[in-house]
Amino acid sequence: GAVVSQHPSWVICKSGTSVKIECRSLDFQATTMFWYRQFPKQSLMLMATSNEGSKATYEQGVEKDKFLINHASLTLSTLTVTSAHPEDSSFYICSATVPGQLGAFFGQGTRLTVV
Amino acid sequence: QQQVKQSPQSLIVQKGGISIINCAYENTAFDYFPWYQQFPGKGPALLIAIRPDVSEKKEGRFTISFNKSAKQFSLHIMDSQPGDSATYFCAACGNAGNMLTFGGGTRLMVKP
Repeated sequence: GAVVSQHPSWVICKSGTSVKIECRSLDFQATTMFWYRQFPKQSLMLMATSNEGSKATYEQGVEKDKFLINHASLTLSTLTVTSAHPEDSSFYICSATVPGQLGAFFGQGTRLTVV
Repeated sequence: QQQVKQSPQSLIVQKGGISIINCAYENTAFDYFPWYQQFPGKGPALLIAIRPDVSEKKEGRFTISFNKSAKQFSLHIMDSQPGDSATYFCAACGNAGNMLTFGGGTRLMVKP
């Protein structure tokens, strides 16, 4: 089956620093990846759609300068939370679509805590 | 904004019982309806999915029932087990880029 690997699983960083989260498709090439944010006991909130070789499409209300997304290859997308603040603490999840299949497969998520 | 409405928000079922989670959608362009299972601290995992051309799909203890005219679909978990305790999300997807629209989630607890 399609495997999406996300790294790191959890990270603690100081306020004002930047954090990079990687999302890799291990056994397929993903032309499209999605980044979500999930607050405790809530559903997934789509942040942006990442297409290989082009700029990401951000959902309304998501700051593109705050959440930098790079999709430089067909197997890797990165989300960088810049100048992180405690309110950015959350669970971030990526997903990727498999060519020819509907739906998406998810990474294991990254728990970000900003102190 | 496109929405998928999911109910109940939480559900407690005795071991061996049937867990039923319901979802409703508005957008008739949706043509793929997956269910995801999420354990605490983990990403969602695809459980089972259905297309609108069938009314029911069964995989093991998990069954999706789909009512196209009512724009509703549901997940049935037969012989529920404590290991099924998790949060379940329904979702819907159309042809536009495979972007999923999620329901609000249902926290299922199966009591031993």
